[in-house]
Amino acid sequence: QQQVKQSPQSLIVQKGGISIINCAYENTAFDYFPWYQQFPGKGPALLIAIRPDVSEKKEGRFTISFNKSAKQFSLHIMDSQPGDSATYFCAAGSNFGNEKLTFGTGTRLTIIP
Amino acid sequence: DAGITQSPRHKVTETGTPVTLRCHQTENHRYMYWYRQDPGHGLRLIHYSYGVKDTDKGEVSDGYSVSRSKTEDFLLTLESATSSQTSVYFCAVLSNSGNTIYFGEGSWLTVV
Repeated sequence: QQQVKQSPQSLIVQKGGISIINCAYENTAFDYFPWYQQFPGKGPALLIAIRPDVSEKKEGRFTISFNKSAKQFSLHIMDSQPGDSATYFCAAGSNFGNEKLTFGTGTRLTIIP
Repeated sequence: DAGITQSPRHKVTETGTPVTLRCHQTENHRYMYWYRQDPGHGLRLIHYSYGVKDTDKGEVSDGYSVSRSKTEDFLLTLESATSSQTSVYFCAVLSNSGNTIYFGEGSWLTVV
């Protein structure tokens, strides 16, 4: 059972555009929602994370939008750059401190000139 | 990188042979995890450990066993490798502050 559904599977965006990746979850016990970025041949690395007490979190060009009632959250990459080309994973977890994250299936983002 | 080292980084093995992957960490992290990554499935938790000799199953634990006899080492064993276990395996640790899960560089395993 896929507890975290991620879309789209792949995304092509022009340089300077906005990249948007969406995730939806089912388990209302989830209270921690990180996004990971992965470059080829490397392990995933934490990009940005949010907790449900806020609806938005911004770090530089990266923003998480969170909709608790809809059980959805999304990653927005503003002014997308070729260096942002990577695979992005959303995740969800609960009872932080012994975290077991449930991951989405990933989005391969390609930024074209 | 949270001081994580995985070995081997690449391995090709035959069906039916045992395989052990090692995760070594140098920063005294209590929690350690093994994930596998497959196209269309993302990252799935195999097993995790919350201390020496304390381990528990994840969502895809069948065919895998783990051991943690020292804080710094978390071993993943495939008792009898099958082609369905061809995958990229990532070790991860929970930061000591409890805020972040850090991943290693991965171990590419091919079972032929």
